[in-house]
Amino acid sequence: EDKVVQSPLSLVVHEGDTVTLNCSYEVTNFRSLLWYKQEKKAPTFLFMLTSSGIEKKSGRLSSILDKKELFSILNITATQTGDSAIYLCAVLTSGTYKYIFGTGTRLKVLA
Amino acid sequence: DADVTQTPRNRITKTGKRIMLECSQTKGHDRMYWYRQDPGLGLRLIYYSFDVKDINKGEISDGYSVSRQAQAKFSLSLESAIPNQTALYFCATSDDAGNIQYFGAGTRLSVL
Repeated sequence: EDKVVQSPLSLVVHEGDTVTLNCSYEVTNFRSLLWYKQEKKAPTFLFMLTSSGIEKKSGRLSSILDKKELFSILNITATQTGDSAIYLCAVLTSGTYKYIFGTGTRLKVLA
Repeated sequence: DADVTQTPRNRITKTGKRIMLECSQTKGHDRMYWYRQDPGLGLRLIYYSFDVKDINKGEISDGYSVSRQAQAKFSLSLESAIPNQTALYFCATSDDAGNIQYFGAGTRLSVL
């Protein structure tokens, strides 16, 4: 059975801290891995990763994929209260083009 | 205006009632999806459709049905709502490459 596991489930940090969120997966027919940020409403797209070892960056956020060890990490440096959200990892499978989501990591950044 | 619009945004209903959640999109995508989100369980796929004539069950389709009325419209029905269908429901679309999904704002459903 295909699955995506995120850790930790929740995390509380202070502004300025650096956090690392983890996503491991076991799927057949991997196509890509995506990270989303969910505040109070709809998940919004952050990154899509298809190749190992190539870091994607957007401001203070970065992400990388390891297709050999089957995991990805999402790093947030110099966290701000606006980073407080649920971060979702999803794997897109080829063939059926279905997305398999992890349970998410709930991040809370304290001022 | 939102690219993916869900109505209603909130709904409270009673056990046994039939209800419909609607989704429309202006992105011109062929692929549409319905998910439910429960605390601690992430997003789970209910149904998905890759074009108007294509409907597929997801991992938790029991108790639900869908209708793809047009490329832009994909509705989810609960034939006889039960309390464990209380959840946050999301509609999403993606293009034919299927890479990035775009989500609606969600419908919060409570079944009493």
